Amino acid sequence: LAKTTQPISMDSYEGQEVNITCSHNNIATNDYITWYQQFPSQGPRFIIQGYKTKVTNEVASLFIPADRKSSTLSLPRVSLSDTAVYYCLVGDGWGGTASKLTFGTGTRLQVTL
Amino acid sequence: SAVISQKPSRDICQRGTSLTIQCQVDSQVTMMFWYRQQPGQSLTLIATANQGSEATYESGFVIDKFPISRPNLTFSTLTVSNMSPEDSSIYLCSVARLAGGPPSTDTQYFGPGTRLTVL
Repeated sequence: LAKTTQPISMDSYEGQEVNITCSHNNIATNDYITWYQQFPSQGPRFIIQGYKTKVTNEVASLFIPADRKSSTLSLPRVSLSDTAVYYCLVGDGWGGTASKLTFGTGTRLQVTL
Repeated sequence: SAVISQKPSRDICQRGTSLTIQCQVDSQVTMMFWYRQQPGQSLTLIATANQGSEATYESGFVIDKFPISRPNLTFSTLTVSNMSPEDSSIYLCSVARLAGGPPSTDTQYFGPGTRLTVL
């Protein structure tokens, strides 16, 4: 199973760009990279997913280098409401013996004024 | 995306009793999962709920302790049996691969969770 390594915590001021990097050295060819956000007392919420290069949506950007052994979630101009735990996951789906999504420790982002 | 509801949202139970948690999705989904999240910890996959057949359990989780049902493509239950204080946790249902939708890879949608406290 591909495992991920992220910083345990990060601090940022409101209005700054935050980049959270995740290492996944054993990522398989079929694996996609997915990021989730979790607020206290809520289930995780899908943020963004990618396979290679760069993906951008209305919430974040995801940068994936050519070797795919790491990825960086970029949150532009964070606000206090972005304070949450961010999980990086790799996996390729659910068919048979395909690798499963494993949640790592996540990164606890604290945004302050 | 899918809208997922769980019942109950929270409960306080006595040691030795059992609690059944329901997960309802507003659309048909191919895959349904149950996770546990202990306070301050990450999520741990308990099992994959398979429609019409026995659930597939992860290492450390057994059917006798966590029986799961999935009678159709929109509903599943997880029972926490013979509870002990160590079972106090948040239990989350998630779904993936919306039936009839575009192909998706790994995108899971999570329910709000059920907070269980065992005394």
